[in-house]
Amino acid sequence: EVQLLESGGGLVQPGGSLRLSCAASGFTFSSYAMSWVRQAPGKGLEWVSAISGSGGSTYYADSVKGRFTISRDNSQNTLYLQVNSLRAEDTAVYYCAKSSSSVAHAPFDYWGQGTLVTVSS
Amino acid sequence: EIVLTQSPATLSLSPGERATLSCRASQSVTSYLAWYQQKPGQAPRLLIYDASNRATGIPARFSGSGSGTDFTLTISSLEPEDFAVYYCQQRNNWPLTFGGGTRVEIK
Repeated sequence: EVQLLESGGGLVQPGGSLRLSCAASGFTFSSYAMSWVRQAPGKGLEWVSAISGSGGSTYYADSVKGRFTISRDNSQNTLYLQVNSLRAEDTAVYYCAKSSSSVAHAPFDYWGQGTLVTVSS
Repeated sequence: EIVLTQSPATLSLSPGERATLSCRASQSVTSYLAWYQQKPGQAPRLLIYDASNRATGIPARFSGSGSGTDFTLTISSLEPEDFAVYYCQQRNNWPLTFGGGTRVEIK
């Protein structure tokens, strides 16, 4: 059974940083691209970043480019998102999503339950 | 960036009725469009990928159609568990983008 478990969210001041993690199980982690998708309170879904199965290719939304860094540790079956220079508008539930193939833009066939990041002073 | 516009924003229907949801892209996404369902407090679930392919375990009452810029998600006969928010998403171009969602509510 595929499981994705996010952690690392919390309350942080504007300008602060966090490292989000997503522990994956139930599939061959290195064979699949992964993404982060966020959802502000009461709002729609926003794709944030994607990474290929090998980790060699990464992609970012313009709204986070230069501030967020996606990475993965295939030996630990874990996906990461380093979020820096946080702004109020980054407040959201951050979901880890598995792509249905090694292709970074493949549809998201499994999602975690999300971790909440709140940016406030 | 490709903008996806979903309509209507809210659809009020009764169980057993047919639901027709629309997603229009600002430029062609070929057939690279997916539909997701999200219920309150839950993560999204993949329903349809590449415009018309049902994901694993998705009931046959859900169907998708379209190509290029105009897409439709149809729920042939609404079950109580189908009342939720539905999002379309394109994967033809970076950045990946989602539509604003259509809420299907009980009339």
